[in-house]
Amino acid sequence: DVNLVESGGRLVQPGGSLRLSCAASGFRFSSFWMTWIRQLPGKGLQWVANINEDGSQTYFADSVRGRFFISRDNADNSVFLDVNTLSVEDSALYFCVRMFCSRQTCYTDAFDVWGQGTVVTVSS
Amino acid sequence: QMTQFPSSLSASVGDRVSITCRASQNIRTALVWYQQKPGKAPKFLIYGASTLQTGVPSRFSGSGSGTDFTLTISSLQPDDFATYFCQTTVGAPTFGQGTKVDIE
Repeated sequence: DVNLVESGGRLVQPGGSLRLSCAASGFRFSSFWMTWIRQLPGKGLQWVANINEDGSQTYFADSVRGRFFISRDNADNSVFLDVNTLSVEDSALYFCVRMFCSRQTCYTDAFDVWGQGTVVTVSS
Repeated sequence: QMTQFPSSLSASVGDRVSITCRASQNIRTALVWYQQKPGKAPKFLIYGASTLQTGVPSRFSGSGSGTDFTLTISSLQPDDFATYFCQTTVGAPTFGQGTKVDIE
């Protein structure tokens, strides 16, 4: 089965840092762009960052650029999100997601496999 | 920016339900739809505005191009009560605010 499992979320004080991890299994990890998406409490979804297949390209939402960093380890089938200088507004459920590939093409910004999410709570 | 409406609706099993998503610029057919149930991750339903993902029931359909898009459920089933999100795949991925479909 194709699976994504996130970890690393916890309660952290404002200004703090965390590393979120996502372990992938059941597919050829090194062939897929990977993305982090967050969901604010009781609200909608927000794209955070993505990374290409070999890690040479990374992109970030304006709200996190310069504070968050995405990386991957293809040998370990893992993707990471380093989150720094956290504020209350970063409190959310963070999902690791995989880009969707149809038979004809891949869509780097459509997401067919989602993890269960890991919760980051920023509070003093 | 993606504007989705209504934000919520109440319907009964068997009803035809439509949800609208409007883009702030022409995105051609670069739109996907997801379904999310409480406590669960979103489920990928439709891509390219109108193509159903494998395994999605045929009562779901998507239409539209340019700036205006619609998700339609032809005959609402008990399993369909959920929140639905649209998302553009042009530029930075941007989601609509969601439409909650609940039981009337």
